This record gives sequence, C-alpha cells and structure tokens, in this order.
Amino acid sequence: GNSVTQMEGPVTLSEEAFLTINCTYTATGYPSLFWYVQYPGEGLQLLLKATKADDKGSNKGFEATYRKETTSFHLEKGSVQVSDSAVYFCALSDYSNDYKLSFGAGTTVTVRA
Amino acid sequence: DAGVIQSPRHEVTEMGQEVTLRCKPISGHDYLFWYRQTMMRGLELLIYFNNNVPIDDSGMPEDRFSAKMPNASFSTLKIQPSEPRDSAVYFCASSQGAGSPLHFGNGTRLTVT
Repeated sequence: GNSVTQMEGPVTLSEEAFLTINCTYTATGYPSLFWYVQYPGEGLQLLLKATKADDKGSNKGFEATYRKETTSFHLEKGSVQVSDSAVYFCALSDYSNDYKLSFGAGTTVTVRA
Repeated sequence: DAGVIQSPRHEVTEMGQEVTLRCKPISGHDYLFWYRQTMMRGLELLIYFNNNVPIDDSGMPEDRFSAKMPNASFSTLKIQPSEPRDSAVYFCASSQGAGSPLHFGNGTRLTVT
C-alpha cells in the first residue's frame, strides 16, 4: 500500500536558518507528491507539488524535488522567517488508492526571531 | 472564490448529544472529503464523495457517524450520540478531480464533555 514517512519534529530554528524536512514514500504506481502547510487555527493549504520524477515544485521560497531513485521528496527553504512557523505535511496520491491522499504525520516547525 | 466553508468553527457539547457539522465545497469541485485531526492519530480520512455519491466510508469510526451530501454545494457530518473521544478538529476538503490538490476549510473544533 501507499505510505509516507516524514521527519519527526518538532523543529526549532532561528530566523534566516536553512530548513530541511525529510520525506520518503512507498507507492504502488507513479504517485504525485505534495507538501501541505497548516498555519495555527487554519486548514491545510497546498504549498507545492510534483507529478513526475525529477520535477521540482516551488512556492514561497520552498522547494522539493521528486526523486524516484530514492523515493524521496524533501522540503527545503534557504532562509526561514517567523511567518514560516507551521506544521508541514508530506503527501502522495496514486491511482492504486483511487487518488486518495496519503499524509505523513506532519512536522511542526517553529522559527524564532 | 470563498474557498471551502465550514460551520460552526467551534462546537462544545455534552456527551450523548447530536452534533452536526456543515461544509460548503468550492463550486465546481467534484470531490468532497471529511477528515478528522487529533494529536494522537494525526489526519484521518473519514469519508469522501464524488459527484455527491459516497465512494469510501471505510474511515468512519462507527455507526454513530454518518455523512450526507444532498447536493453539490452542501455536505453534513453527523455524530449521534457524541462521546468525549470524538473531540477533535474536523476538516472538510474539496477537489476538482481525481488526483487534484485538496482545498481545505478552516475546520470545526469539536469538544465533547
């Protein structure tokens, strides 16, 4: 079956630090990969996505590259801000599971000024 | 576009009472999902609809939970009778099609005392 494993948190960083959140996946077919972000008191929002191998998704300074050889989709940002404090979820969807999203457990990131 | 609208934002009720959560998806989206989020279990998919028809309700925890989608612009999740272990944040999400990114509402925080 499909599954997503992401780095456990919480992660605490200083402003302008480099952020990496690791995500690896197991899927039957050729999944699409997503990163969602959840700010306090809100629902999840799509941050970025990639639909095939070697695609790079990017948004708001965040990037993630679909690595089929390592079944990974690590999230990175070169210089975080306090406003990036949130919970980040890695997810995949695949035809074998009727395209239902499989979410990771979420990683809480806190950025200190 | 107003996004996915959920009501109420907060609900506090006593054990044994009936609770109804409401959701208005984004117009034109064919899929609607109900999720539950807790610290212990993370995000759990309860049920999803395609074109108003329930497709998979295997995540509904027990018979006390029921969901309906009488038309393309409205869905309800009902818990009867409610129990303290039902306390969680319940999210509704919609998407345009299979494999498309989900758009989440801001959730309903349910507290059952």
